[in-house]
Amino acid sequence: AQTVTQSQPEMSVQEAETVTLSCTYDTSESDYYLFWYKQPPSRQMILVIRQEAYKQQNATENRFSVNFQKAAKSFSLKISDSQLGDAAMYFCAYRSANRDMRFGAGTRLTVKP
Amino acid sequence: DTGVSQDPRHKITKRGQNVTFRCDPISEHNRLYWYRQTLGQGPEFLTYFQNEAQLEKSRLLSDRFSAERPKGSFSTLEIQRTEQGDSAMYLCASSPRDRSGKQYFGPGTRLTVT
Repeated sequence: AQTVTQSQPEMSVQEAETVTLSCTYDTSESDYYLFWYKQPPSRQMILVIRQEAYKQQNATENRFSVNFQKAAKSFSLKISDSQLGDAAMYFCAYRSANRDMRFGAGTRLTVKP
Repeated sequence: DTGVSQDPRHKITKRGQNVTFRCDPISEHNRLYWYRQTLGQGPEFLTYFQNEAQLEKSRLLSDRFSAERPKGSFSTLEIQRTEQGDSAMYLCASSPRDRSGKQYFGPGTRLTVT
């Protein structure tokens, strides 16, 4: 079974600073996707960034980037130039081809002004 | 593209009652997923449809739970004889036909069983 572990229940960052959220996963499959979702207090999940396992290049979306270490089964999210609107729960998720998505327990990010 | 919608947004029911939730996916998304999320946890997979076919069900989906997607468009999730442990946020997501793996989530239905 695939499991996703987020070891940081809470993180905080100063506005304009950089923060990294950690995620590890366990799988025996070679073809899969990894995601980071953001869930603001209104609770609608929003896709932040996505990584395909076969791609060695780390995904980047504006201020958000990942550090994908396939051998180590690690998938961390870096948020640069943090903004107040980045405050939310962040969930790391794993999905193999055509299967259900497995989520970690989440990291609550607080952004301090 | 109006996004994934769910109805109702909130539902309070008494233990033992039946409840039904509806999810309308993004049009032309052929895959639809149901998840359950309890406070402080990530979403847990319940079931998955490709078009009208229910392809996968989690062991979390007891006999009291049933989901349908009769015409391959909207879906319903019914919980019979609700229990207090069913209190949670029920999330629906849809994904397109491509291999992006992306899922787009609705706002959820918060169920409270008293």
